[in-house]
Amino acid sequence: QVQLQESGPGLVKPSETLSLTCTVSGGSISNYYWSWIRQPPGKGLEWIGYISYSGSTGYNPSLRSRVTLSVDTSRNRFSLKLTSVTAADTAVYCCARERWDGPSHVFDIWGQGTMVTVSS
Amino acid sequence: DIQMTQSPSSLSASVGDRVTITCQASQDISNHLNWYQHKPGKAPKVLIYDASSLETGVPSRFSGRGSGTDFTFTISSLQPEDFATYYCQHYDSLPPTFGGGTKVEI
Repeated sequence: QVQLQESGPGLVKPSETLSLTCTVSGGSISNYYWSWIRQPPGKGLEWIGYISYSGSTGYNPSLRSRVTLSVDTSRNRFSLKLTSVTAADTAVYCCARERWDGPSHVFDIWGQGTMVTVSS
Repeated sequence: DIQMTQSPSSLSASVGDRVTITCQASQDISNHLNWYQHKPGKAPKVLIYDASSLETGVPSRFSGRGSGTDFTFTISSLQPEDFATYYCQHYDSLPPTFGGGTKVEI
């Protein structure tokens, strides 16, 4: 059974870079797309971007200038970097597997999420 | 971005009740809509994809319908384990966006 686990610092200072990793266990990172999604406290879910196992990416235009996604197939994991963070980036960050089946796209497996607070 | 308007934002129901949640897209998204269940401290779980297809392993009391801009999600007979927050999500174009969520409470 495929499982996803986010890891990284829970506290980041303003203007610094938020870095998170999602490790895929129980299955291969190959042949799927992998996304990051966040939820600020008391707010809705926001898709950040995706990366494929081959490294192709897509980003939310609202965050594109500050986001970089990367994938390490040898370690079965992918990563998020978000630069120049502010308090508005405080959120629970989740990684998710995106299943593409023809025209159908669905986030079919999610991590539990990790809380990241931006504060000095 | 396509806006997804979900209602109600919360509802109170009892075990055995029929529960319906609606989701409206700001433009035509065909059937490019998914529904998720989220419980505190747990990973979200997909229940319905392509507006009306039941994800493998999901109980048949969950269903979805709709196309274009208007969608509904129904739990035919609410069970104790169904108390959670439910989200719709479109994938018609980038970026995919989510509804604001519906918290189903006892």
